[in-house]
Amino acid sequence: QKEVEQDPGPLSVPEGAIVSLNCTYSNSAFQYFMWYRQYSRKGPELLMYTYSSGNKEDGRFTAQVDKSSKYISLFIRDSQPSDSATYLCAMIANTGNQFYFGTGTSLTVIP
Amino acid sequence: AAGVIQSPRHLIKEKRETATLKCYPIPRHDTVYWYQQGPGQDPQFLISFYEKMQSDKGSIPDRFSAQQFSDYHSELNMSSLELGDSALYFCASSQRRAAGIFGPGTRLTVL
Repeated sequence: QKEVEQDPGPLSVPEGAIVSLNCTYSNSAFQYFMWYRQYSRKGPELLMYTYSSGNKEDGRFTAQVDKSSKYISLFIRDSQPSDSATYLCAMIANTGNQFYFGTGTSLTVIP
Repeated sequence: AAGVIQSPRHLIKEKRETATLKCYPIPRHDTVYWYQQGPGQDPQFLISFYEKMQSDKGSIPDRFSAQQFSDYHSELNMSSLELGDSALYFCASSQRRAAGIFGPGTRLTVL
């Protein structure tokens, strides 16, 4: 069983919709949580970075971390066709030396 | 802002040949990570370095080795290449467990 679980989708939504992406994890030592966006054959691009529990907002993106439930979410408001990509969650422990990734969710925003 | 630089961007090798991938981290980042990503898969951790010392090792074959040099750049050496080594290889850098910034990747094709 992977340390980080993520619904692979694919997810298809109309332009302007609110998108919710989620990951669960099993290792309670994870303290740093990240969301990356990856376009085909490109490097993962850091979208959001959160330490421990709480919410963080950046423009149309909101990241939530609930450590008690070992559950993290990324919300995308007013989704755009340019948001079409694979979204990867990742996390690392306070004493860790590697990022653990979810399997990625493929998102398509239809104009 | 400076990003992670990887070279070469594309590499074609034949079976049993050797390949060397290079990574130049963001200035003042003290940690480098190497990941391998096959088609449709999430990134798989290979190895990481903190302050030029190996800090963690993942599913890296014995045919692969890596090091980080005094100027903080890192090299991934791959010998006796196999068809299954064809993948995208990403390098990421961070300031000790902060969010990793990924490079554009090296696409390795083994024929």
